[in-house]
Amino acid sequence: GAGVSQSPSNKVTEKGKDVELRCDPISGHTALYWYRQSLGQGLEFLIYFQGNSAPDKSGLPSDRFSAERTGGSVSTLTIQRTQQEDSAVYLCASSLVGRYTGELFFGEGSRLTVL
Amino acid sequence: KNEVEQSPQNLTAQEGEFITINCSYSVGISALHWLQQHPGGGIVSLFMLSSGKKKHGRLIATINIQEKHSSLHITASHPRDSAVYICAALYNNNDMRFGAGTRLTVKP
Repeated sequence: GAGVSQSPSNKVTEKGKDVELRCDPISGHTALYWYRQSLGQGLEFLIYFQGNSAPDKSGLPSDRFSAERTGGSVSTLTIQRTQQEDSAVYLCASSLVGRYTGELFFGEGSRLTVL
Repeated sequence: KNEVEQSPQNLTAQEGEFITINCSYSVGISALHWLQQHPGGGIVSLFMLSSGKKKHGRLIATINIQEKHSSLHITASHPRDSAVYICAALYNNNDMRFGAGTRLTVKP
């Protein structure tokens, strides 16, 4: 696609439910990143994919968070048993080759609200 | 403590004013990014620099490696420049750390 696409753009869920957030990176971009942005905070790194592998998942805050990437393209971030502190904007970015080599392209983000 | 500090946190300016946003980082980096986040949430990469100065239109980014400091300047500011500007430092271990952002409002 022309840019990084994320869905849904907004998600409201009840505490305890599972959510899936989707990221469709720019075609041909091998590196993909997930970040979380809480209100008034800087971007917090969650996970980095190179192709379908995740060599760095050190930013995932708990085992309720997981992510996968298939076909070297679309990635899904899953949050199980959501908690109110999970409320944030989840941003996806991609870049052409290796980790942080070159320009980052961001999606519009998925705003998650856990009631 | 965030390893990337930005100042000011909020900035209000009148149209036409010269704007400076500052970023400092704690240890050696390989590159520094300036990003712009619009009210809708989308983030756009403005600059990536590792030394010296870069210019794009009315935007200028500078970096001083010895002082571990970078600045983003906007000349002849315009209301459409209103956004959050984010500094991100790429450390030598390929870890990128983001500042909390500077919210700029330019009034007509």
